[in-house]
Amino acid sequence: QSVLTQPPSVSGAPGQRITISCTGRSSNIGAGYDVHWYQQVPGTAPKLLIYGNTNRPSGVPDRVSGSKSGTSASLAITGLQAEDEADYYCQSYDSRLSVVFGGGTKLTVL
Amino acid sequence: QVQLLQSGAEVKIPGASVKVSCKASGYTFTSYVIHWVRQAPGQTLEWMGWINPGNLNTKFSQKFQGRVTITRDTSATTAYMELSNLRSEDTAVYYCARMSFGGMIVFDYWGQGTLVTVSS
Repeated sequence: QSVLTQPPSVSGAPGQRITISCTGRSSNIGAGYDVHWYQQVPGTAPKLLIYGNTNRPSGVPDRVSGSKSGTSASLAITGLQAEDEADYYCQSYDSRLSVVFGGGTKLTVL
Repeated sequence: QVQLLQSGAEVKIPGASVKVSCKASGYTFTSYVIHWVRQAPGQTLEWMGWINPGNLNTKFSQKFQGRVTITRDTSATTAYMELSNLRSEDTAVYYCARMSFGGMIVFDYWGQGTLVTVSS
């Protein structure tokens, strides 16, 4: 299993709000290392969605947000749209393992 | 604009080696670290290692230590990842990714991916 734990799937209707959690431990998120989020449409490369826990690269809409507290982080998407349907991965750094990823969460827009 | 263009799909037999290339354009190649990440079918992303094209420093995941080599050709602005002694579990899409500036290990640009299939 992955070092960072994510729910395998989440779903929501168009217009709704969803959150995806990413739980780590004292050697990674809990040690203060930043959390980043990527969106991956199947068959394509990952795309950076959130960096440094809360920051959006240019071009990412403000209905996407990130947060971090203790040994966990969360990604929130409000005003859900069909185009948000994808896989989402969190990523951080671990003092023992170097770069680590979450197991991924499949977002289904109902 | 920043682009990372990877080499095409490969099919290898167990025990062979594969070398994947990643040609960078649109930025100063020696100023950004390049990482390699792989994704087995239906699985999550797995970090393999990185190279600093500016000073040739490298670091690898313990899982791949001894089997992976990452190099670069600055004149060609290209990074390479070679994985040896391939087994079926190495079947995956291999990505190169540029590490963003600013000290955080975060990947702002990715290559399109290279499918490596290991099968007898």
